[in-house]
Amino acid sequence: DGGITQSPKYLFRKEGQNVTLSCEQNLNHDAMYWYRQDPGQGLRLIYYSQIVNDFQKGDIAEGYSVSREKKESFPLTVTSAQKNPTAFYLCASSSGRDANEQFFGPGTRLTVL
Amino acid sequence: GENVEQHPSTLSVQEGDSAVIKCTYSDSASNYFPWYKQELGKGPQLIIDIRSNVGEKKDQRIAVTLNKTAKHFSLHITETQPEDSAVYFCAASIQAGGTSYGKLTFGQGTILTVHP
Repeated sequence: DGGITQSPKYLFRKEGQNVTLSCEQNLNHDAMYWYRQDPGQGLRLIYYSQIVNDFQKGDIAEGYSVSREKKESFPLTVTSAQKNPTAFYLCASSSGRDANEQFFGPGTRLTVL
Repeated sequence: GENVEQHPSTLSVQEGDSAVIKCTYSDSASNYFPWYKQELGKGPQLIIDIRSNVGEKKDQRIAVTLNKTAKHFSLHITETQPEDSAVYFCAASIQAGGTSYGKLTFGQGTILTVHP
């Protein structure tokens, strides 16, 4: 089946530790995105990538880092510099410039203790 | 940058009634307006979208209207069913040739509850 997978579904980390969230897609999409979702708020864009080896900061990039070494993969690292990392993280992809629909993964709920 | 406001934050209706969710946007260059449905513990799924060259679009029980002059758009769900209960998000984007390249700005979400 084609789609976007995120792992793990639930993740617990101690304060001060870096953690990497996985996002893989087999849709052959060029563009990939990371969003953060907090209760009562919409999705906020962290980083996005239009093509392999290139990515741009979104609206709330501070304390996060990404890489795009392969078309299929767009991992997100939540660093210790992120002041409030506990949230639901969503990865999405879209096929390209003129294709509008973003397809979302199931999300990873990160809890920092 | 773009700002999208969504109302109401919660909406409760009886099965069979209609539900309307409204969004306003700030950037007049935005030309693509999708609506997403998110069920508990899952990622959002696109349910309908509209481009700025169209004033209304309908898909079975779901319709979206767009008023470019007023910069607002609305989601209409008719004959609601309990399975319509979810969180609904509107979004706005500049597509095709704009600088934002598919970057969506989302509203805050509406929790819709349909009572049997």
